[in-house]
Amino acid sequence: GENVEQHPSTLSVQEGDSAVIKCTYSDSASNYFPWYKQELGKGPQLIIDIRSNVGEKKDQRIAVTLNKTAKHFSLHITETQPEDSAVYFCAASKRGSARQLTFGSGTQLTVLP
Amino acid sequence: DTAVSQTPKYLVTQMGNDKSIKCEQNLGHDTMYWYKQDSKKFLKIMFSYNNKELIINETVPNRFSPKSPDKAHLNLHINSLELGDSAVYFCASSRTEERVHSGANVLTFGAGSRLTVL
Repeated sequence: GENVEQHPSTLSVQEGDSAVIKCTYSDSASNYFPWYKQELGKGPQLIIDIRSNVGEKKDQRIAVTLNKTAKHFSLHITETQPEDSAVYFCAASKRGSARQLTFGSGTQLTVLP
Repeated sequence: DTAVSQTPKYLVTQMGNDKSIKCEQNLGHDTMYWYKQDSKKFLKIMFSYNNKELIINETVPNRFSPKSPDKAHLNLHINSLELGDSAVYFCASSRTEERVHSGANVLTFGAGSRLTVL
């Protein structure tokens, strides 16, 4: 089955700096890669996703890049703000199916004021 | 209105007891899930269920069972609770499409139910 590894497990940045979280996946058939943000006391929420036919996708301060050859994808957050502090999860699935999502182990991002 | 709601939010109980967590979604989704999040924040799928198919993660003990009275509800029953069952349990839902379709892949999670077994 699919295995998704996520690094780092914790990340602290100064407000205004950039944050990068990296994930690798094992199954070359995976074609859908979402990122979820989990704020304290809440459930994870989708913030951005990318499909295997696209190399990069941006949404305001958030971007995701995908390298299919190397089987890794990354989340980039620019101009970080305190409200970006949360746990971030990457995930991968085949056939773009939510039923087959495999999550990474999560990254606790702390943005220091 | 809350899209995916779970009750109770907190549950403290003794070892050996039987308990249930309820989940309801008002999104019209046809697939519902239960995830377990341990103390290290790792998210592990337990079940996915729609009206056609129940998929059980083989690592889930048979003390755990999902019950779906209708498409909008998927409850989690746990028998003979053990200390290791302490975790946050998340219900989620999604819309299933035969073809890959934007929006069909999105999991909508509830706020979680924190179970503490003493």
